[in-house]
Amino acid sequence: SQTIHQWPATLVQPVGSPLSLECTVEGTSNPNLYWYRQAAGRGLQLLFYSVGIGQISSEVPQNLSASRPQDRQFILSSKKLLLSDSGFYLCARTGSSYEQYFGPGTRLTVT
Amino acid sequence: AQTVTQSQPEMSVQEAETVTLSCTYDTSESNYYLFWYKQPPSRQMILVIRQEAYKQQNATENRFSVNFQKAAKSFSLKISDSQLGDTAMYFCAFMGVSSGSARQLTFGSGTQLTVLP
Repeated sequence: SQTIHQWPATLVQPVGSPLSLECTVEGTSNPNLYWYRQAAGRGLQLLFYSVGIGQISSEVPQNLSASRPQDRQFILSSKKLLLSDSGFYLCARTGSSYEQYFGPGTRLTVT
Repeated sequence: AQTVTQSQPEMSVQEAETVTLSCTYDTSESNYYLFWYKQPPSRQMILVIRQEAYKQQNATENRFSVNFQKAAKSFSLKISDSQLGDTAMYFCAFMGVSSGSARQLTFGSGTQLTVLP
């Protein structure tokens, strides 16, 4: 089966601290991968997507960055977190017919 | 750019009844897909149903069906025989798949559906 793992599940970090969220995918090769952020009670905002190793496209300018060091690994990072970075972060991959499947998410609270 | 509008922030329905959630979209793309996703309190995003724009037949998945009106750019979700487990936030989403499209999902703002016992 094709599974998406996200780590950690929850995270509380102070303002100005670094961030690293990890997404790993099982059971598929060369997937398109995506990072979304969801603020409380809101829809999903696309942050980054990747069509292959080392290939990252950014949708929203901000203090976050993404990397794809391996085919099935997608990492979201920040050097210095802001209060506005709080939210629910979802990783997704494409399916066979353009649909996207999502991981369980990471709840980030910046204090 | 695409936009997806869900004009019903909240809805409720009695268990076993039928409910319809509305979604409209705007695009200049000729080829695209539309989706409904469900997000229960666990916040896991779950694909409910998918519609290919070039297909006239409305998609169905068990108790879930859509009413796709391409000319009106409308894509509503009908849930029949509502169950308590259907309580969730429902998101309508659009993806353009024309040549050169980035294969990105554009989401609406969501409709919170509550199924009442």
